[in-house]
Amino acid sequence: EPEVTQTPSHQVTQMGQEVILRCVPISNHLYFYWYRQILGQKVEFLVSFYNNEISEKSEIFDDQFSVERPDGSNFTLKIRSTKLEDSAMYFCASTGTVPYEQYFGPGTRLTVT
Amino acid sequence: KQEVTQIPAALSVPEGENLVLNCSFTDSAIYNLQWFRQDPGKGLTSLLLIQSSQREQTSGRLNASLDKSSGRSTLYIAASQPGDSATYLCADTTSGTYKYIFGTGTRLKVLA
Repeated sequence: EPEVTQTPSHQVTQMGQEVILRCVPISNHLYFYWYRQILGQKVEFLVSFYNNEISEKSEIFDDQFSVERPDGSNFTLKIRSTKLEDSAMYFCASTGTVPYEQYFGPGTRLTVT
Repeated sequence: KQEVTQIPAALSVPEGENLVLNCSFTDSAIYNLQWFRQDPGKGLTSLLLIQSSQREQTSGRLNASLDKSSGRSTLYIAASQPGDSATYLCADTTSGTYKYIFGTGTRLKVLA
């Protein structure tokens, strides 16, 4: 069964460094999303992406964040200068033929030290 | 502002008990509601999706209902087992937006 994959599963970085989180959505999906979950808190929407542009973003998604679909398969989230408060689990999701049902990847745990 | 609330925050039950988890949402223009399971430190496992035109969905021992008029969804778990212990999340999306709004979850512990 097709699934969303994410790499790496765990990333440790120093404050101020740039990180890129990678996702491979399900191949025939058209909409892509990033969410994050700070430890002990709820899952929060960051951004949605369709037709090579951002369709919606939250207040969290400031200028430090960017998304890209560099080729036909990958979808990336870049954090330019990481802060301690960026430590969280980041989930990628994609939407397929059932409108609005989102399929989630296993997540990337980002630890900023 | 669209909000999703889950009550109770935590629940502990003996094995074999039937239980109900509650999810309330504020926006009546809901498009769908999805229930997830999350094990500690892990990802989100989709359990059931209910579209706005549906009233309930069933999968095995799980049954989820949706009542748009009252802004509520319930997840019914029959004959609970220790393996059901996890955090259960609900999330909704409304017409005109593609994002999911998640609840804070109910942490379930089933005692053997």
